Amino acid sequence: DSGVTQTPKHLITATGQRVTLRCSPRSGDLSVYWYQQSLDQGLQFLIQYYNGEERAKGNILERFSAQQFPDLHSELNLSSLELGDSALYFCASSPGSGGTGELFFGEGSRLTVL
Amino acid sequence: AQKVTQAQTEISVVEKEDVTLDCVYETRDTTYYLFWYKQPPSGELVFLIRRNSFDEQNEISGRYSWNFQKSTSSFNFTITASQVVDSAVYFCALSVWQAGTALIFGKGTTLSVSS
Repeated sequence: DSGVTQTPKHLITATGQRVTLRCSPRSGDLSVYWYQQSLDQGLQFLIQYYNGEERAKGNILERFSAQQFPDLHSELNLSSLELGDSALYFCASSPGSGGTGELFFGEGSRLTVL
Repeated sequence: AQKVTQAQTEISVVEKEDVTLDCVYETRDTTYYLFWYKQPPSGELVFLIRRNSFDEQNEISGRYSWNFQKSTSSFNFTITASQVVDSAVYFCALSVWQAGTALIFGKGTTLSVSS
């Protein structure tokens, strides 16, 4: 158990819809990262927040947005969903803001868009 | 820009065989960190090892060993006497030491160990 909690574990929705994925980092960790894992693209970094502020941005689509709240949990919002958005979305956390240490991953949220 | 290449997409071995998973990385930074993660069929990502760019010592942990060679920009992972439970996808990853960067993963190598 990494200490990172993601909900929901599974989500099935239709094209055009909007969903929100939630992540609670490990106790004491200030950084939250979002990754998308799909069969064709592998593990793609989407975005990082550190103590409520956006710190790094990767291949995140404009239809996607994220935020980190004062209690440090984070939400990833996916809108106008397309079939290609079907993937496993991982949240990870780390104590600091830089990339020196291990990231602790949650179990992922599997999104299926029909 | 940083890049991680895992040229082996899939490897199949029989139990007790040794297997090496290759990882080649690219970065212009002199300070960086290399990682290996394991993703078993259950789906979670499990941290295996972290190495910084200043420490080229090889590391052994039980049946696992890692060979870091800066001269060839490689960080290979060897499993000795493989077991069925080693079946998983293994990811090599790279991070550079600066705020605002994230872990960059290779595409992964799927290891299947049969009995």
